[in-house]
Amino acid sequence: NAGVMQNPRHLVRRRGQEARLRCSPMKGHSHVYWYRQLPEEGLKFMVYLQKENIIDESGMPKERFSAEFPKEGPSILRIQQVVRGDSAAYFCASSPTYNEQFFGPGTRLTVL
Amino acid sequence: GESVGLHLPTLSVQEGDNSIINCAYSNSASDYFIWYKQESGKGPQFIIDIRSNMDKRQGQRVTVLLNKTVKHLSLQIAATQPGDSAVYFCAENQRSASGGSNYKLTFGKGTLLTVNP
Repeated sequence: NAGVMQNPRHLVRRRGQEARLRCSPMKGHSHVYWYRQLPEEGLKFMVYLQKENIIDESGMPKERFSAEFPKEGPSILRIQQVVRGDSAAYFCASSPTYNEQFFGPGTRLTVL
Repeated sequence: GESVGLHLPTLSVQEGDNSIINCAYSNSASDYFIWYKQESGKGPQFIIDIRSNMDKRQGQRVTVLLNKTVKHLSLQIAATQPGDSAVYFCAENQRSASGGSNYKLTFGKGTLLTVNP
């Protein structure tokens, strides 16, 4: 049973470009969460989605960031016009119903 | 604001010793706590969880203790092994904005555990 998958594992972008991070939840999981981790920091909640719905985006920056979880396909975290401060590790987690969240390996975004 | 934090940023132990990692929380409304282990370059891995109606929970070589009076959480690892070397995070679980059954996690900063052979 495959775990949570994220791709790419490493992503390099220049300032002003767009970054697209993908997350495929575990089979049977319909709840997806995105977190951001800065170096030597804990993970910070960004957004919680169910299929085709954003449930809680209280941790998302108001501008440039968006997330979706379509009926078919992976969840996408999109960052437009990236800046150096967006450099971080972005983790996706999924859960079947509630509580225990299974994390993916993360995407490490570097903005040059 | 309310947050979850850790007392010690680093902990170094000898192989075979017991390890204790501490965590303080300030949100009295938190009702669910989790410990995660994160190895370098990997995502957090679930270790053990505990609900606020419990004081203690045991797993394989790990025990979590919850003291609601002083809002303190600890993770005990018995007979620590080199493979236990990682960063350990405590996290608290909060209801989503819609009040649904899923929760978002608030993580502390983490404790780096180093096990010396």
